[in-house]
Amino acid sequence: DQQVKQNSPSLSVQEGRISILNCDYTNSMFDYFLWYKKYPAEGPTFLISISSIKDKNEDGRFTVFLNKSAKHLSLHIVPSQPGDSAVYFCAARGGSNYKLTFGKGTLLTVNP
Amino acid sequence: KAGVTQTPRYLIKTRGQQVTLSCSPISGHRSVSWYQQTPGQGLQFLFEYFSETQRNKGNFPGRFSGRQFSNSRSEMNVSTLELGDSALYLCASSLTAASSYEQYFGPGTRLTVT
Repeated sequence: DQQVKQNSPSLSVQEGRISILNCDYTNSMFDYFLWYKKYPAEGPTFLISISSIKDKNEDGRFTVFLNKSAKHLSLHIVPSQPGDSAVYFCAARGGSNYKLTFGKGTLLTVNP
Repeated sequence: KAGVTQTPRYLIKTRGQQVTLSCSPISGHRSVSWYQQTPGQGLQFLFEYFSETQRNKGNFPGRFSGRQFSNSRSEMNVSTLELGDSALYLCASSLTAASSYEQYFGPGTRLTVT
């Protein structure tokens, strides 16, 4: 049972344009959402997060939007840079169980 | 401050053997979680330890086990290896179990089972 879904395995974008990565979840107990970025041969690194009491969180070029009614969140990267090319994982946690549940990841390729 | 370290970085084992992977968390962090990453499944949660106690366990067979020591270092053991166990095993640490939103990952151990 995939509670966190990233339906696009890959995304290709031109440098300077917007990258939009999507994530859907099914567990209504989730109340905190995170995005991680992973380069090959490295562990994932935390990028940005959002609590369920907010619908938007911004950090520089990265913005995460949360639509609780649709159980959907998205990560916007503007402008996209070649160094952003990596696998992006969406993760969620909620309730008294603090473990993170991850999606399968989306490979973002930003072309120069 | 040193990051999360995992040893070894690469490992090749034969089916039926067993393997032990090690993880040293960031100094002061007491919670350690283990994940398995495969191309088709993303990051799958294995288990989490806090203060030497297993708090959470994912849906993996009993061949996968772990433990945590008093210095918060953790080991993961896989017995009777199968080809499907080939994966990147990631360890992550956080200050406490509740602070999983500030989870820091190590570089992983790449296990290949032949």
